Amino acid sequence: AQSVSQHNHHVILSEAASLELGCNYSYGGTVNLFWYVQYPGQHLQLLLKYFSGDPLVKGIKGFEAEFIKSKFSFNLRKPSVQWSDTAEYFCAVGGFKTIFGAGTRLFVKA
Amino acid sequence: EAQVTQNPRYLITVTGKKLTVTCSQNMNHEYMSWYRQDPGLGLRQIYYSMNVEVTDKGDVPEGYKVSRKEKRNFPLILESPSPNQTSLYFCASSLSRGATNEKLFFGSGTQLSVL
Repeated sequence: AQSVSQHNHHVILSEAASLELGCNYSYGGTVNLFWYVQYPGQHLQLLLKYFSGDPLVKGIKGFEAEFIKSKFSFNLRKPSVQWSDTAEYFCAVGGFKTIFGAGTRLFVKA
Repeated sequence: EAQVTQNPRYLITVTGKKLTVTCSQNMNHEYMSWYRQDPGLGLRQIYYSMNVEVTDKGDVPEGYKVSRKEKRNFPLILESPSPNQTSLYFCASSLSRGATNEKLFFGSGTQLSVL
């Protein structure tokens, strides 16, 4: 069955700390992977996506993610988080039935 | 401005009273979809549509109906709402019919409470 698993449901970091959010997927077809972010009270916005080429993709606001095919993973990273990164982050695998992970709530302490 | 517009933003209703949540996009997108967001479960797809008059079930379609009579509109209908449909609902659209590597554009959400 197709699924997306996000390892951490809640993460608390101090400003300037490094961030890595885990995402593993199970999908039978061509893999198209996404990270979306939902800031408090807002709708989801695309952070970055991967569908081919360089497995290290860069997105907005200093985020990046690495696709590791052998591990079925697409982890999100940021070297130094800011208070404004407080949000919920969703990993998703694309298709007619885009499948989302359960989300990771990140709280960054100022 | 390119956007997906949902209405209403908040809705409180009672069990069994039919309601419709509207969704409209102004980007000429072919693909539209409805999701519900529940704590700890992420977003789950209710229905999607690849084009006018073409709709299909997502993962949690029970208790919902949709229609796609025009390209820009994709309303979500709850014929007889129940408390377990209390949730945050998002409409989304994307350019391509397949929505495989195209990003989804999301509406602002509708917080529905069924008493």
